[in-house]
Amino acid sequence: KAGVTQTPRYLIKTRGQQVTLSCSPISGHRSVSWYQQTPGQGLQFLFEYFSETQRNKGNFPGRFSGRQFSNSRSEMNVSTLELGDSALYLCASSSSGGGNTIYFGEGSWLTVV
Amino acid sequence: GENVEQHPSTLSVQEGDSAVIKCTYSDSASNYFPWYKQELGKGPQLIIDIRSNVGEKKDQRIAVTLNKTAKHFSLHITETQPEDSAVYFCAASIGDSNYQLIWGAGTKLIIKP
Repeated sequence: KAGVTQTPRYLIKTRGQQVTLSCSPISGHRSVSWYQQTPGQGLQFLFEYFSETQRNKGNFPGRFSGRQFSNSRSEMNVSTLELGDSALYLCASSSSGGGNTIYFGEGSWLTVV
Repeated sequence: GENVEQHPSTLSVQEGDSAVIKCTYSDSASNYFPWYKQELGKGPQLIIDIRSNVGEKKDQRIAVTLNKTAKHFSLHITETQPEDSAVYFCAASIGDSNYQLIWGAGTKLIIKP
């Protein structure tokens, strides 16, 4: 079956703009989580959604937000972009989250100039 | 808060030799420990995982060992090959929450020909 799909794969934005990233989980998966990965850095947890509800949130400012739709697809939004927001944003899905294998997408590369 | 320490940050081994990466976790209630491999430009992929009721698990050239008393687990790769070059991440579940993982900082494995 199809894996986790993230769009767009690459994008360039200007400081102060906002951006929306999209994630389609594996069919049947109800948990979607988002991570930020900067060059040479590990995986920083942003938030996790399950059945349209945010179950967990990492330590990121309120400029980072997300949502999940009834079909389990998820979007994350970053407002008032800063240069430091340049990163690879990874989406991962699992059937119920943790303890179950999570599957990552290829990520969305965001460059803020 | 809970954390996972991963060592070393960079590991260089001769092709054909073994590689060992170690992680230490702080939450004694953690019960799920996956390892992910991330190749350049791609999302992380699960390579092996272990649960707290098992001390060791093997899959061909890859093995993971878990010491619950000492709260550490290790990834062992034998007969390393050039395609093993990648960044490896360990993670531990937060208690038995079943839906959140704490990630190590990653280990860059370099296989020298």
